[in-house]
Amino acid sequence: KAGVTQTPRYLIKTRGQQVTLSCSPISGHRSVSWYQQTPGQGLQFLFEYFSETQRNKGNFPGRFSGRQFSNSRSEMNVSTLELGDSALYLCASTPGVRTEAFFGQGTRLTVV
Amino acid sequence: EDQVTQSPEALRLQEGESSSLNCSYTVSGLRGLFWYRQDPGKGPEFLFTLYSAGEEKEKERLKATLTKKESFLHITAPKPEDSATYLCAVQATRTGNQFYFGTGTSLTVIP
Repeated sequence: KAGVTQTPRYLIKTRGQQVTLSCSPISGHRSVSWYQQTPGQGLQFLFEYFSETQRNKGNFPGRFSGRQFSNSRSEMNVSTLELGDSALYLCASTPGVRTEAFFGQGTRLTVV
Repeated sequence: EDQVTQSPEALRLQEGESSSLNCSYTVSGLRGLFWYRQDPGKGPEFLFTLYSAGEEKEKERLKATLTKKESFLHITAPKPEDSATYLCAVQATRTGNQFYFGTGTSLTVIP
């Protein structure tokens, strides 16, 4: 069974640009969550999507957005990039409620 | 406010030297407590889920336990391949699949 796939693995963007990251969950998993990981803050929850609907949102500015498609694949978008957005962005898929999440390898975003 | 605190931040062990990692949590309505392992440059890898106080889970050299306020990850006779960052996370009943993560314990096992 294929795991969670995130693309691209690495990105370098300039301050002020926007970026789109992609996540394909494990087949059959309908819940997809996104996390930002930085050395100082650890993993911080961005948002969760279930059946194309945002079910929960973390404490991030509106520049961070996401969506989910009918095949459960998800994208997250960050507009007007800032230097502080440099981080590892992780996608996690979950088969149901009250279960473990399975993480992808992440996308390493560097903003210069 | 839901919160997870892990200690120590870093731990160096000799191969074969057993120890424990601590995860203290404050959550309004615990749905589950989860342990993950993360290797550099990779995503977290699931280890255990614990749902209620008194529960224990084991896998090879690892054993996780849970009380009403904290969880321990016991590592028995560790090997160098156990070197990684160990992350603790909780889910609250009111926030669905959202995980609140601690900042992790970086474990180094020296041959």
